[in-house]
Amino acid sequence: AQSVTQPDIHITVSEGASLELRCNYSYGATPYLFWYVQSPGQGLQLLLKYFSGDTLVQGIKGFEAEFKRSQSSFNLRKPSVHWSDAAEYFCAVAGNSGGSNYKLTFGKGTLLTVNP
Amino acid sequence: SAVISQKPSRDICQRGTSLTIQCQVDSQVTMMFWYRQQPGQSLTLIATANQGSEATYESGFVIDKFPISRPNLTFSTLTVSNMSPEDSSIYLCSVEARYEQFFGPGTRLTVL
Repeated sequence: AQSVTQPDIHITVSEGASLELRCNYSYGATPYLFWYVQSPGQGLQLLLKYFSGDTLVQGIKGFEAEFKRSQSSFNLRKPSVHWSDAAEYFCAVAGNSGGSNYKLTFGKGTLLTVNP
Repeated sequence: SAVISQKPSRDICQRGTSLTIQCQVDSQVTMMFWYRQQPGQSLTLIATANQGSEATYESGFVIDKFPISRPNLTFSTLTVSNMSPEDSSIYLCSVEARYEQFFGPGTRLTVL
């Protein structure tokens, strides 16, 4: 069964500092990987995704993530955090078998606090 | 991408009652999903709803408690039956398109 681990429940950074949110997955084949952001009282917004190809993927709002197969990781990064980035971040994995077997599994989330 | 709307956006209900949540998509999709997000928690898949077939429920969720309808390719409903305070959550509808999932804004349910 597929699973996602986000080791950090809560991270606090200063505005302008760099950010890395960790994500490890478990899946038997090459997974589809996603990062979503949920601001307070808001729905889920897709930041970026990895399906295949270049292992460094660029997303919206200046975020990027790197797929490392050897480490089963898909960490999210941003070089300089803005106060508006404060939110909950979810990593998710989906099997690529498609059809009725398609299923998205979420990690428990990392809450990001940004200090002025 | 897909634009998804949900009704109601929030509700406060009494225990023992039922609430039906509607999900409308702006395009035809094969697969629709219902998730629950309990306070301070991640998203948990309740069931997958394909048009023309019975919904497939995840472990821990049963049809009697969470009946789902999927009458066409743009619409689905989730009913939370015989509610208790433990059902207080955000319920989200989502659709899959080319292996991406798009989410509705959610329905925030409080059960007293």
